[in-house]
Amino acid sequence: DAGVIQSPRHEVTEMGQEVTLRCKPISGHDYLFWYRQTMMRGLELLIYFNNNVPIDDSGMPEDRFSAKMPNASFSTLKIQPSEPRDSAVYFCASRTPGHSGELFFGEGSRLTVL
Amino acid sequence: SQQGEEDPQALSIQEGENATMNCSYKTSINNLQWYRQNSGRGLVHLILIRSNEREKHSGRLRVTLDTSKKSSSLLITASRAADTASYFCATINTDKLIFGTGTRLQVFP
Repeated sequence: DAGVIQSPRHEVTEMGQEVTLRCKPISGHDYLFWYRQTMMRGLELLIYFNNNVPIDDSGMPEDRFSAKMPNASFSTLKIQPSEPRDSAVYFCASRTPGHSGELFFGEGSRLTVL
Repeated sequence: SQQGEEDPQALSIQEGENATMNCSYKTSINNLQWYRQNSGRGLVHLILIRSNEREKHSGRLRVTLDTSKKSSSLLITASRAADTASYFCATINTDKLIFGTGTRLQVFP
């Protein structure tokens, strides 16, 4: 298995532009998580899905952020409009069925908003 | 919100020495997990310890859990330069895995 695949790995954009980050989870995993990592705030859980349904989006910082999971093999995190404070590394992770399952992380998408 | 707090924030040691990292958490847990993150990479799962376990080993890793103190420790024995990374503890809150602040470990050859 190729693992969790994220794209793009790096994105540099200007303030006000729309940013779309993509994630392909590991086949058979029923949970998908989006995290954001910054030096100041560490790893923050933004939103997670179970069987493609958003379960908890309380970590999404603002209405500018939205996430979708149209099917079991694809998810997107969109920021519109982007702001410099959104600069961070965004990670997608998926998990095997069962509450004790370990998370498998992608390599992250490093976003820089100028 | 972060569930765990790691201590120390940073640790520098020589190859061959042992490295100990501590994690404190706030709420009751079903299990606690430790992850490793190399610079510029995603997190990788290292080991899981269940709430009814007190100690667990995996290769050069030893994890302890004290639920009465809401704390865990990760010991890496005979460290190597390749162990240089950040280490995070994580606890499950309902379905969510919440990560601590991490310990940055530097192992010098």
